[in-house]
Amino acid sequence: SQTIHQWPATLVQPVGSPLSLECTVEGTSNPNLYWYRQAAGRGLQLLFYSVGIGQISSEVPQNLSASRPQDRQFILSSKKLLLSDSGFYLCAWKTGEGLFFGSGTQLSVL
Amino acid sequence: GEDVEQSLFLSVREGDSSVINCTYTDSSSTYLYWYKQEPGAGLQLLTYIFSNMDMKQDQRLTVLLNKKDKHLSLRIADTQTGDSAIYFCAEIRGAGSYQLTFGKGTKLSVIP
Repeated sequence: SQTIHQWPATLVQPVGSPLSLECTVEGTSNPNLYWYRQAAGRGLQLLFYSVGIGQISSEVPQNLSASRPQDRQFILSSKKLLLSDSGFYLCAWKTGEGLFFGSGTQLSVL
Repeated sequence: GEDVEQSLFLSVREGDSSVINCTYTDSSSTYLYWYKQEPGAGLQLLTYIFSNMDMKQDQRLTVLLNKKDKHLSLRIADTQTGDSAIYFCAEIRGAGSYQLTFGKGTKLSVIP
């Protein structure tokens, strides 16, 4: 069956520390993958999307980067976190019906 | 203004019907979606409708699409406390698009 895994579920990091969030998809090949962020009280903001290995499109210039080292793996990174990077990060995978989301990572930068 | 707009809050009594409304701006939207997000969880795809349809019903959920007014609604019949969540409207713009554009979400509170 097709599933999407995202971890960790929660993360507390100090300002200036690095970040790595991982997302993997099972049961499909060559998926379109997405990273969204949901800040408190706000809607969803598309950060990055990828249509294939090594192909990353950035929607919002910021402190974050993304990589797609394998077909079913999508990684969100930062070299130095800012307070404003706090939020709920969601990985998603596009199917013929729509976007299916992972369970999300709640990131608190202190 | 926002490309996809929703009211932020809705409060209904248990057993009543809930209607969550959404307006969008892009007439080339091909698919329109409703997602549900419970506290601390990811988004769950509830239902979707093709742009050439006017209505879609799925158990307690009814989606109505008015393309002329670019208006989408989600009706939840016999609303239960478990329906309390944030509901997001989203659209895909144009054929072959890779991206969904979301509204900010409507927080539905169900009063017992």
